[in-house]
Amino acid sequence: EVRLVESGGGLVQPGGTLRLSCDTSGFIFSTYSMNWIRQAPGKGLEWISHIGSRGTTTYYADSVLGRFSISRDNAKNSLFLQMDSLRVEDTAVYFCARLDINGLQYWGHGTLVSVSS
Amino acid sequence: IQMTQSPSSLSASVGDRVTITCRASQAIRNDLGWYQQKPGEAPKLLIYAASSLQSGVPSRFSGSGSGTDFTLTINSLQPEDFATYYCLQDYNYPPTFGPGTRVEF
Repeated sequence: EVRLVESGGGLVQPGGTLRLSCDTSGFIFSTYSMNWIRQAPGKGLEWISHIGSRGTTTYYADSVLGRFSISRDNAKNSLFLQMDSLRVEDTAVYFCARLDINGLQYWGHGTLVSVSS
Repeated sequence: IQMTQSPSSLSASVGDRVTITCRASQAIRNDLGWYQQKPGEAPKLLIYAASSLQSGVPSRFSGSGSGTDFTLTINSLQPEDFATYYCLQDYNYPPTFGPGTRVEF
């Protein structure tokens, strides 16, 4: 069974940092590209970052470029999102998702990040 | 690429046929997926490549379109179909979601 479990969310002050993790199981992690998508409270979905299977290719949304960094540890089957210089508008549930040939087929349950003073 | 959806919400009844439209700001071939999201849950992939039904998804869901205009149709709406539906273009980076269509009673 494919499983993706996010962790690391919480309450942080503006300007602060957080590191999200996505622990995976049930598939060969090193062969799949992975993505982070977020959803602000009561709002729609926003794609924010992608990393290729080997970790050498990354993409970011303009809204997080230069502040967030995606990475992965294929030996530990884990995906990460380092979030620096957090803003109030970064408050959201953050989902990790596996990119299949058909699209984003598998998602985690999400982890809530709240940025507030 | 900007994605728009219409309507933003709709009221329907069990057994109805529902149609949701998604439009891209430029041609995206058929590089479009449809996702269903229920409150408190992660999105679920329904349709990929504009018209291909994801494995395990009921056949009452169908998609069509190419280029800039796309449609998701739900035939004979069921109680479990009341949710929010998003389109997502993956023609190029950054992938962009439509704003969503809420299907409610």
